[in-house]
Amino acid sequence: NAGVTQTPKFRVLKTGQSMTLLCAQDMNHEYMYWYRQDPGMGLRLIHYSVGEGTTAKGEVPDGYNVSRLKKQNFLLGLESAAPSQTSVYFCASNGQGSGEQYFGPGTRLTVT
Amino acid sequence: AQSVAQPEDQVNVAEGNPLTVKCTYSVSGNPYLFWYVQYPNRGLQFLLKYITGDNLVKGSYGFEAEFNKSQTSFHLKKPSALVSDSALYFCAVRDSAGKSTFGDGTTLTVKP
Repeated sequence: NAGVTQTPKFRVLKTGQSMTLLCAQDMNHEYMYWYRQDPGMGLRLIHYSVGEGTTAKGEVPDGYNVSRLKKQNFLLGLESAAPSQTSVYFCASNGQGSGEQYFGPGTRLTVT
Repeated sequence: AQSVAQPEDQVNVAEGNPLTVKCTYSVSGNPYLFWYVQYPNRGLQFLLKYITGDNLVKGSYGFEAEFNKSQTSFHLKKPSALVSDSALYFCAVRDSAGKSTFGDGTTLTVKP
């Protein structure tokens, strides 16, 4: 049981490049989330999903898109990366609305 | 809009002394409240949650938290701190639609 995994672990992009971050969970969870963590700002919710085929905007969705085509996967896309998107990105999932979240190990993204 | 406030960026305690990490929240409806801990270069780990029932919730590693509806608070406590408790602690609230909001985090330092 791997829990929540994220790929890649590290990435450096140039401004304007695109990339996709992959989150996978093997716990059959309905809910999945993407957060970014910046120093002194805690975790900010980018997008989330309450089930396969559904997505919703969080607190800071601009510049990001997501897809949840399969229940176990939640993809985060950056179409045109900007230096302001330099951050550590965490994926999380939980099984029910009241359940605790399980977090992945994070992806450290640097945009130059 | 829901929100979480952790009024202290840093809490310092001596080993063996009790510790409190404060959290207040704002949310529509009944709150789901959580505490998580983060060690350096790691994802967040679940400590405890309040969904309903007893206002005193017990969690992992000897931590507990008290839900106070009138003060909209959910403070994290431990009777006797350990050096190994030193980490970054996050309070979070989730609404009935599944949207989660985290506080900015409190760095706990326990000195020998």
